[in-house]
Amino acid sequence: KAGVTQTPRYLIKTRGQQVTLSCSPISGHRSVSWYQQTPGQGLQFLFEYFSETQRNKGNFPGRFSGRQFSNSRSEMNVSTLELGDSALYLCASSLAVLRNTGELFFGEGSRLTVL
Amino acid sequence: SQQGEEDPQALSIQEGENATMNCSYKTSINNLQWYRQNSGRGLVHLILIRSNEREKHSGRLRVTLDTSKKSSSLLITASRAADTASYFCATAAWGSQGNLIFGKGTKLSVKP
Repeated sequence: KAGVTQTPRYLIKTRGQQVTLSCSPISGHRSVSWYQQTPGQGLQFLFEYFSETQRNKGNFPGRFSGRQFSNSRSEMNVSTLELGDSALYLCASSLAVLRNTGELFFGEGSRLTVL
Repeated sequence: SQQGEEDPQALSIQEGENATMNCSYKTSINNLQWYRQNSGRGLVHLILIRSNEREKHSGRLRVTLDTSKKSSSLLITASRAADTASYFCATAAWGSQGNLIFGKGTKLSVKP
């Protein structure tokens, strides 16, 4: 069974630009969560999608958005990039149906550098 | 916001020694999980312990949970150089909408 796939793995953007990151979950997993990881703040929850609906959202500004498609693939978008958005963005999928409190399967992450 | 806080922040040991990492949290939990992350890579799930369990084993890993003290510990026995990684605890709070909250991790270095 293929794992969680994130693309691209690395990208460099400049301030003010926008970026779209993609995540393909493990086959059969309908829940997809996104986390931002930085040295200073650690792992912070961005949002979770289940069956194309955003089910849960972390404390991030509206510049951070996401969506999920009918095949459970998910994308997240960050608009008007700031230097502080430089981070490793991690996607995780799970089998969770009611609540996403079980084991998460993570992808390798997308490393975003904002110059 | 961070729910779990790992201690110590960094730990350096020799191969063959045991490594113990601790995690404290603030609210009542449904379960607590431990994950491992090799440098710059994704996280890998190690073990999940439910709030009504006190101890769990998986290979060389032993996890304990003390809900009265709101703390957990992860013990890695007979450590190997390949165990070098960051270890995170993650909590699923009762009544939460369902996202895991991660601590800042313990960076373990195992020297051959």
